Amino acid sequence: TQLLEQSPQFLSIQEGENLTVYCNSSSVFSSLQWYRQEPGEGPVLLVTVVTGGEVKKLKRLTFQFGDARKDSSLHITAAQPGDTGLYLCAGATSGGYQKVTFGTGTKLQVIP
Amino acid sequence: NAGVTQTPKFQVLKTGQSMTLQCAQDMNHNSMYWYRQDPGMGLRLIYYSASEGTTDKGEVPNGYNVSRLNKREFSLRLESAAPSQTSVYFCASIWNSGNTIYFGEGSWLTVV
Repeated sequence: TQLLEQSPQFLSIQEGENLTVYCNSSSVFSSLQWYRQEPGEGPVLLVTVVTGGEVKKLKRLTFQFGDARKDSSLHITAAQPGDTGLYLCAGATSGGYQKVTFGTGTKLQVIP
Repeated sequence: NAGVTQTPKFQVLKTGQSMTLQCAQDMNHNSMYWYRQDPGMGLRLIYYSASEGTTDKGEVPNGYNVSRLNKREFSLRLESAAPSQTSVYFCASIWNSGNTIYFGEGSWLTVV
């Protein structure tokens, strides 16, 4: 079973602070996605990274895929209350079909 | 585009009752998935289907059965519901060569 562990599990910060969420595995993934989920809704894709060492930026969010494609990080600069939600990483493997494994989730609360 | 459509949105069952969650996608995706999400947690894979006519167990298959009726539809059946199956269920799909998972809006199931 491929496991993706996220840390921290919970994070409560003040508006304007920076934060980093980590997603780690002992398995190699062909791609890794980050999702944000708000209460009562399904996960919404933020970004997909596919190349080892890749860095993608989405406004105040910076995503990095580890060189060995086993880990990833999400950095938020100057967090805002609208960033509040559950952040999930998900790794996909290739090999005839796509089996997707989700991380354990990081619940972020940004306090105004 | 409808994307991934799940029904029903909400359901309350009594212990021992059976029901089927329906899922359909109109994106011609090969792979489809059923996940469950418990409060404050990430998604756990119940079953997946890499292509029409094939299904495989995920992390938590006990108490569930699935049918990949055709390329579009992937249903999840609870034969004898238990309170432990109270959860939010998400259907998802992906191309075999794609990297993005598309989720349905979720089905909230309560077993009393």
